[in-house]
Amino acid sequence: AQKVTQAQTEISVVEKEDVTLDCVYETRDTTYYLFWYKQPPSGELVFLIRRNSFDEQNEISGRYSWNFQKSTSSFNFTITASQVVDSAVYFCALSINDRGSTLGRLYFGRGTQLTVWP
Amino acid sequence: DAGVIQSPRHEVTEMGQEVTLRCKPISGHNSLFWYRQTMMRGLELLIYFNNNVPIDDSGMPEDRFSAKMPNASFSTLKIQPSEPRDSAVYFCASSLLPDPGSGNTIYFGEGSWLTVV
Repeated sequence: AQKVTQAQTEISVVEKEDVTLDCVYETRDTTYYLFWYKQPPSGELVFLIRRNSFDEQNEISGRYSWNFQKSTSSFNFTITASQVVDSAVYFCALSINDRGSTLGRLYFGRGTQLTVWP
Repeated sequence: DAGVIQSPRHEVTEMGQEVTLRCKPISGHNSLFWYRQTMMRGLELLIYFNNNVPIDDSGMPEDRFSAKMPNASFSTLKIQPSEPRDSAVYFCASSLLPDPGSGNTIYFGEGSWLTVV
């Protein structure tokens, strides 16, 4: 069975602080994909990043960076120099690559509410 | 390029009424998903279509819920009769699967916010 755990329900930081959102996943599949989505107050789900299970290189995109570690089944997300506009709920998700009925479906964590104060 | 388009964005209806939510996936995508988001259960998959065929409907709560995909560019999720506990945000999403190049990325619409009173 697939499972994604985001242990941090809420995080509050002050602008310009760095913040890391944790994500731990469980799967027996050797081929899988990990995702982060952002849900701002307006409600839409915005795709941020995808990682496949064979690529453990960390990725940086502007103030965002992601740390994928298969040894600990974690895919953590760090925002550097946070801004008020980063305030949102962030979801980590897992997709496995079998060809059965679950192909492509996303297993979501419960999300982490990030609030950045000015 | 247009993303996933959902309508209506907001709907308030009375218990017992029929509700129809609509979705237009991204052109060229062959897979369509309906997800529901509630405070209690988070984001949960209701049903998944591939090439217009329902593949996995195990998440559909009960017979009051039905979904159709008559063609590659349109899907509906219907609730009849609606109940207050159906109040939630309903997301439609689409993807091109399998697609190793895109890593099976699923793109979401803006959601339909349903309130049943």
